[in-house]
Parts: sequence; structure tokens; C-alpha cells
Amino acid sequence: DIQLTQSPSFLSASVGDRVTITCRASQDLRHFLAWYQQIPGKAPKLLIFSASTLQSGVPSRFSGSGSGSDFSLTISGLQPEDFATYYCQQFYNFPYTFGRGTKVEIK
Amino acid sequence: EVRLVDSGGALIQPGGSLRLSCVASGFAFDTSAMSWVRQAPGKGLEWVSAISASDSTYFADSVRGRFAISRDKSSNTLYLQMSSLRVEDTAVYFCAKGPIITLPAFDSWGQGTLVTVAS
Repeated sequence: DIQLTQSPSFLSASVGDRVTITCRASQDLRHFLAWYQQIPGKAPKLLIFSASTLQSGVPSRFSGSGSGSDFSLTISGLQPEDFATYYCQQFYNFPYTFGRGTKVEIK
Repeated sequence: EVRLVDSGGALIQPGGSLRLSCVASGFAFDTSAMSWVRQAPGKGLEWVSAISASDSTYFADSVRGRFAISRDKSSNTLYLQMSSLRVEDTAVYFCAKGPIITLPAFDSWGQGTLVTVAS
């Protein structure tokens, strides 16, 4: 199975900050990586697919980059509604594994 | 508008069986790949099972042989039949739509339904 290592697992930031979350895969995923945001008690929400394509309706302050085995999600200018947990997920092959998540909290 | 509504969660004893449902609307359900994803209390997301557009099925090792995924195209409903349930199957279960070639991700999710396995 493909393992996804997300880092950090927790980060504390202020409104307006630029933050970056990384996701490293145990093998080449080409571009088959997605990012989700989850607010407690809610279903995950798709932010980015194919490593860098912004899902329709998602604010442009979210961006994704990377290919192969190293990927990142950047939020440029954190807003109060962005404090949540973020997950990466690979779609290169089954099982469609997730990273363990990064919780972004208010400093 | 795409909509997925999960239901069927309950408190069930270890060794028991349960069937979850996900009613879909707003898209071509009969030719869409679908998955179930679960989240144990306070934990991360775990992909559980998928059914492809051509109805091939796939399972995580943790549930293979105990869970089955299927769909009823006449009622636009996705199912997850769970048997030989274990305490560690306790989680919120979400159905999710996707992936497709042009959008390899889960672009819509149900609200989730809670399964609690306990004696």
C-alpha cells in the first residue's frame, strides 16, 4: 500500500499568515493527489485535485503544488474559516490512502 | 446539485451485521465510481471500499471478506453491507462520489452516519 506522510501534524498560525503543509508519498504518484479540508462534525471538502487544480468554488488563497512523491498545500493569507484539519489522499492505486492529517489552529 | 444522503448507522453488538445506505441525486449515479470512507472518533480518514463505474469492487484489507459494496441503479442508492462487525469498526461512515478521469478525487460527500460497535 502507498503510505502518505503529512507534516506537520499540528500547526498554530494567525489570521493573515501563509502556511504550507507537505505530503510525501512512499512511491511515485505522478499527479494523482488531492487535498481536503475538514471542519469538526462535518464531511471533508475537496480543495485541490491532480496535485494543483483548484476545485470549483474554492478560494484562490488555496494552492497545491508538486508531483511524483512530494506535494504541498499552501494557504496564502489564513482566514478565520480556514482553521480546520487538512488531509492529502492519493488516487494512484487502491487502496486510496489518506495522510494522517494536519490540524491548523489559531495562535 | 449533487446530493448524497447517508443513513443506516446504529449501535450494534460485536459480531453483528448492518447495512448502510447512501441516496444519490443530481448526477449520473449509474455510471459513477463511488466509495465509502470512515472516520473513527477523534481519528483521521480511512478509505473503506469502492465500486467502479463498471461495478468492479475494491476493499481495504481491514474489511475485506466482511464488508460488501453494491448499488441499486433504480433507486440511485449505494450500499455498504457490513458483517462480523468489530469494536474497531466504530466510526462515522461517509459515502463519496468519484473519482473520474478528469477529476481524480472525491468531489462530493454525504453527511456521514455513525456506526457504534459495542456490547
